[in-house]
Amino acid sequence: NAGVTQTPKFQVLKTGQSMTLQCAQDMNHNSMYWYRQDPGMGLRLIYYSASEGTTDKGEVPNGYNVSRLNKREFSLRLESAAPSQTSVYFCASSKDRGGTYNSPLHFGNGTRLTVT
Amino acid sequence: GENVEQHPSTLSVQEGDSAVIKCTYSDSASNYFPWYKQELGKRPQLIIDIRSNVGEKKDQRIAVTLNKTAKHFSLHITETQPEDSAVYFCAASDSWGKLQFGAGTQVVVTP
Repeated sequence: NAGVTQTPKFQVLKTGQSMTLQCAQDMNHNSMYWYRQDPGMGLRLIYYSASEGTTDKGEVPNGYNVSRLNKREFSLRLESAAPSQTSVYFCASSKDRGGTYNSPLHFGNGTRLTVT
Repeated sequence: GENVEQHPSTLSVQEGDSAVIKCTYSDSASNYFPWYKQELGKRPQLIIDIRSNVGEKKDQRIAVTLNKTAKHFSLHITETQPEDSAVYFCAASDSWGKLQFGAGTQVVVTP
């Protein structure tokens, strides 16, 4: 039982390049999330998927797209990377809609992305 | 939407002393308040959480208190140990259940 698995762990991009961050969970969770973590700003929600087949914008969606490929997988795409997207990205999942007592968030190990 | 403020941003304590981190939230409809611990280079991990119908919860050396009227909640760590050194995040749920996180508190426990 691996929990939430993210790939890659590290990535360096040049401005304008594109890439996809992958996330998979093996806990049969319905909801999945993408957060970014920047110094002094905590964790900010980029996009989330309440259930398979649905996606919604979070607090900071500009410059990103997501795909809920199936119940297990939720990917984050940067179409044209910018230096402002340099950050640590965390994927998370929860049994049902997140942020409830009976459905806590489980985080992956993160992807450290640098855009030069 | 929900806004969560967390203080202090850094906290240095002597081993064995207590540490207190405070958070305030803005949405009176918030009903779930988890705390996450993140060690250097690791993922955030849930350490304790509390529902809005409970005023206090304890788990060994950590406790969380909630004052709904004042819209603030706190994390208390007693008898701190070096392994308590980490970044701690508070969070509050919005009406849908999405979590809004505080900016984090870097706790350093010195021997």
